[in-house]
Amino acid sequence: EDKVVQSPLSLVVHEGDTVTLNCSYEVTNFRSLLWYKQEKKAPTFLFMLTSSGIEKKSGRLSSILDKKELFSILNITATQTGDSAVYLCAVMNAGGTSYGKLTFGQGTILTVHP
Amino acid sequence: NAGVTQTPKFRVLKTGQSMTLLCAQDMNHEYMYWYRQDPGMGLRLIHYSVGEGTTAKGEVPDGYNVSRLKKQNFLLGLESAAPSQTSVYFCASRDPGIDTQYFGPGTRLTVL
Repeated sequence: EDKVVQSPLSLVVHEGDTVTLNCSYEVTNFRSLLWYKQEKKAPTFLFMLTSSGIEKKSGRLSSILDKKELFSILNITATQTGDSAVYLCAVMNAGGTSYGKLTFGQGTILTVHP
Repeated sequence: NAGVTQTPKFRVLKTGQSMTLLCAQDMNHEYMYWYRQDPGMGLRLIHYSVGEGTTAKGEVPDGYNVSRLKKQNFLLGLESAAPSQTSVYFCASRDPGIDTQYFGPGTRLTVL
């Protein structure tokens, strides 16, 4: 059974801090790892990672994947109150009848105080 | 483009009642998914479809049925609602060649 574990489950920081969110996974046939941000409503896509060691970056957010150690991190620098959200990590299985199935972690609740 | 839309946004049911949640997408995506989200448990896959007329079970299919009669629509049915089905339900869709799933705004369902 595919499994995704995120840590920490919640995090409270002040504006300007840098945070690192962790995602470890076990999947029978890895295809990709995705990060989503969820603010009250629908998850919105942040990054998709398929190759180890290649950093994806968007503004203050960046993410990297380690396929040997089976984990990914999401970094947010100079946090702002608008970064407050639940951050979800998901892994896509490429194998057989599970093809295209996403398994999500529990999510990390990030709260950024002014 | 509206993207992925869900109807209704909120619903309260009594135990034993039935209802259907509608998901519609205008991106011509082949694959569609139904998830439920409960506190501390992330999103769990209920059922999914890889094309018009096809459906398959996900992680937590019991108590739910689905249909994909048209490519743009994916219906989730609860035949006899139970309090354990109180949750937020999300629909998603994607293209076969692209891993990113696009999510609808969710339906908050309460079963009393």
